[in-house]
Order: sequence, then C-alpha cells, then structure tokens
Amino acid sequence: DTEVTQTPKHLVMGMTNKKSLKCEQHMGHRAMYWYKQKAKKPPELMFVYSYEKLSINESVPSRFSPECPNSSLLNLHLHALQPEDSALYLCASSQEAGGPYGYTFGSGTRLTVV
Amino acid sequence: QKEVEQDPGPLSVPEGAIVSLNCTYSNSAFQYFMWYRQYSRKGPELLMYTYSSGNKEDGRFTAQVDKSSKYISLFIRDSQPSDSATYLCAMSAYSGAGSYQLTFGKGTKLSVIP
Repeated sequence: DTEVTQTPKHLVMGMTNKKSLKCEQHMGHRAMYWYKQKAKKPPELMFVYSYEKLSINESVPSRFSPECPNSSLLNLHLHALQPEDSALYLCASSQEAGGPYGYTFGSGTRLTVV
Repeated sequence: QKEVEQDPGPLSVPEGAIVSLNCTYSNSAFQYFMWYRQYSRKGPELLMYTYSSGNKEDGRFTAQVDKSSKYISLFIRDSQPSDSATYLCAMSAYSGAGSYQLTFGKGTKLSVIP
C-alpha cells in the first residue's frame, strides 16, 4: 500500500461547527504532516508529527488541533473556523521528518467554511 | 528574496514539445531536490528527487541540478495533454535533530495543447 488516504474529500461547515479531518497511511512512515493549500499557491506547512509526537507547529491558530492516535493515523480537529480557512487540506507522510526523499501526499479534503 | 523562486506561468505548449521548468534558490543548505506534479483538485504527486548535481532521467522526464548556480530544471520530452498540471519544485535542508525542512516553489501551471 503506497497511498495516503484522506477523508472526507469535501466538507462544508459553519463557523460554529466542530468537525474532524482524517488521514491514514500504511507505508510504515514515521512522519506525518498537515498542509493547507489555497488556490494557485504552494502547500503551507501546518503541523509535523514525528514518531507520533508533535514536532513542529507553524504558529497555527488554536482553532486547528492536530492529533496522532497511532503511527498510521493523523487527525485534524476543526472548531470555530473562519471563512478564510476555506482551502484544500493535505495530509502527507514520509519515512523520516522532512523527507529528505520526498513526501507522499493524500488527495486532500476540500474545506469550505460558510 | 524568497528561498525558492519559480515562475508561476501559465505555460502553454503544443503536444510533442519539449517542456523546460525551472527553479532557482538562495539557500546553500538545500541538499535534496524534488519535483511534484499536481493535477487540479488533487494532492501533489512526487515525480522525481535527486541529491547531487547532474541529470537524472525517468522515462520522458529528466531532472537537472546545478548546485553551483543554485538552479534546478525539469524537462519533459514528447509532452502529452495528460502532462497538463501544476509542477512544484521542492527542496530539503537539514534542520537538526535528524529532521529536514521542505520548502516548495510556487508551482508552474502547464497546459499541453493537443
């Protein structure tokens, strides 16, 4: 299995809702990432988990809360989001934190905040 | 000056043309160089990665790195309409404690016209 699976593919939520994004990989990768990508922009790093521990938080607002229940799963809990948080949220994994041989990305969750 | 510069295009070529995509960088600490392809509404897909200066070939794709000039290229031979996508360069530098930091270029949008 050489895939990163993300669910749901699309999500529409109100500003008062609580929702979660899920990510799963079975490649034995020890690092997992959340990225945010706006239209016509490169992915922006949000969080890095290395060996199931949060190693990097790129000054992301607390309305985004990551969780790594085990080495194969990564969640992103969303609460009280703003319309400007609408974007494609990408999960990725790699053998070790930061690569260096590149990441495997999921197809993303397209989030719309209304 | 941004660490990684990439012309966003758009770039439009006829089918069968040779395509040249380029990135320049300023950080001498970058050691690993990658090219990702991203189709619309999908996550990035790793095409190629390379470590040393020189060329690396994979089918119709050739990645070229010139560390002395801080310049990397991706060549696509016999381009096909299915190559139409956004191409992102990415570079990795050691950031300590066994991890690497990945930096993306802005991406170049390529259209191959039948």
